[in-house]
Amino acid sequence: DAGITQSPRYKITETGRQVTLMCHQTWSHSYMFWYRQDLGHGLRLIYYSAAADITDKGEVPDGYVVSRSKTENFPLTLESATRSQTSVYFCASSEEDTQYFGPGTRLTVL
Amino acid sequence: GENVEQHPSTLSVQEGDSAVIKCTYSDSASNYFPWYKQELGKRPQLIIDIRSNVGEKKDQRIAVTLNKTAKHFSLHITETQPEDSAVYFCAASKRKSKLIFGTGTLLAVQP
Repeated sequence: DAGITQSPRYKITETGRQVTLMCHQTWSHSYMFWYRQDLGHGLRLIYYSAAADITDKGEVPDGYVVSRSKTENFPLTLESATRSQTSVYFCASSEEDTQYFGPGTRLTVL
Repeated sequence: GENVEQHPSTLSVQEGDSAVIKCTYSDSASNYFPWYKQELGKRPQLIIDIRSNVGEKKDQRIAVTLNKTAKHFSLHITETQPEDSAVYFCAASKRKSKLIFGTGTLLAVQP
């Protein structure tokens, strides 16, 4: 688990601001994922990446942007934050089927 | 689209009793079924998984069963302990593809 980290762990921002959440893994896993977790909705996939420079939309991609220039990093950007994006965000990585999760970022949009 | 339904949403048991959580998936091509445990304020952690070529898998007090025909899979926890209290998520995926998660089961083990 120590191989995947997220920063910041907590973030408070205001509506309309741009926010970037960072995810870094040291396993050289090919696949990386971003989820948001909200009460009553479980874990919903925002974006995922099969390799550097390859990304694809998940279930709830609207309002988010991702990039993956290096295998180990997968930042998630909220271009103009909205209150509905208040959530806990988890990054995960995998090489085969098993996904390993980062510690999460709790984001509050005021 | 792909969907995983999970029941019950909450489950309360007495310490020492068994707990069963059930999931149903919609995509018949799914072949990998993990279960994650998430303690309050922590990340989800894999506790057991099963692949479509296996009907049952056990690891100490936990077991998972899979019925491909019915597209059902279940988590069984025996001799529950207070430290088993957490939210449990089932998921399904095709190989090296994205996981589709159930909505979670809050398990409370009463001492």
